[in-house]
Amino acid sequence: EVRLVQSGAELKKPGESLRISCKSSGFTFSRSWIAWVRQTPGKGLEWMGTIDPGDASTSQSPSFQGHVTFSADKSLDTAFLQWDTLRASDAGIYYCARLTHYFGSETYYVFDLWGQGTAVAVSP
Amino acid sequence: DIQVTQSPSSLSASVGDRVTITCRTSQTIGRLLNWYQQKPGQAPNLLIYGASLLQTGVSSRFSASGSGTTFTLTITSLQPDDFATYFCQQSHLSPWTFGLGTRLDLK
Repeated sequence: EVRLVQSGAELKKPGESLRISCKSSGFTFSRSWIAWVRQTPGKGLEWMGTIDPGDASTSQSPSFQGHVTFSADKSLDTAFLQWDTLRASDAGIYYCARLTHYFGSETYYVFDLWGQGTAVAVSP
Repeated sequence: DIQVTQSPSSLSASVGDRVTITCRTSQTIGRLLNWYQQKPGQAPNLLIYGASLLQTGVSSRFSASGSGTTFTLTITSLQPDDFATYFCQQSHLSPWTFGLGTRLDLK
């Protein structure tokens, strides 16, 4: 079955570190792009960035650059999202999603497969 | 960043109705606009890409159109399973951005 399975909910304190995971199955992980998307009540869905597990290259939204780190372990078919220093404002639901491109009259980039989400709470 | 504005933010309808949701972008994006459906407690699910192309497995009751800066998603003959939140997302320019969503609920 083609799927992305994310790690479980987290409750952390401001200043702590955190790494959440996204394990793929049913498709070639190293030939895919994995994106991270945050969802919060105030800002809705926000694309954070994308990693190419094949060469570990990343593309990040300026809104998140420098605050989070994307990584991937091809041997585990797993992508990771990491914070070294959490803030209260990092609370939200984090989704990993496969970024796929379809070719037509143009090249269409879509998030065609999503993990179930990881809820992150940050509170003193 | 390209701003994406959806309207209405919420919508009430009955089973069997036809509804339309609008998405506008702050600059022209050609046809690089995707639509997603999200049900409570679930991840978003791709419905439409390239402004009007139906994702495999999605019901033909969903259709969409538009180009440039104005796009619409139409759902005909609403079914109970359609009551959810709908998001549009532009893929023209990084950072890719989403609308805030339209919540469709049962009247």
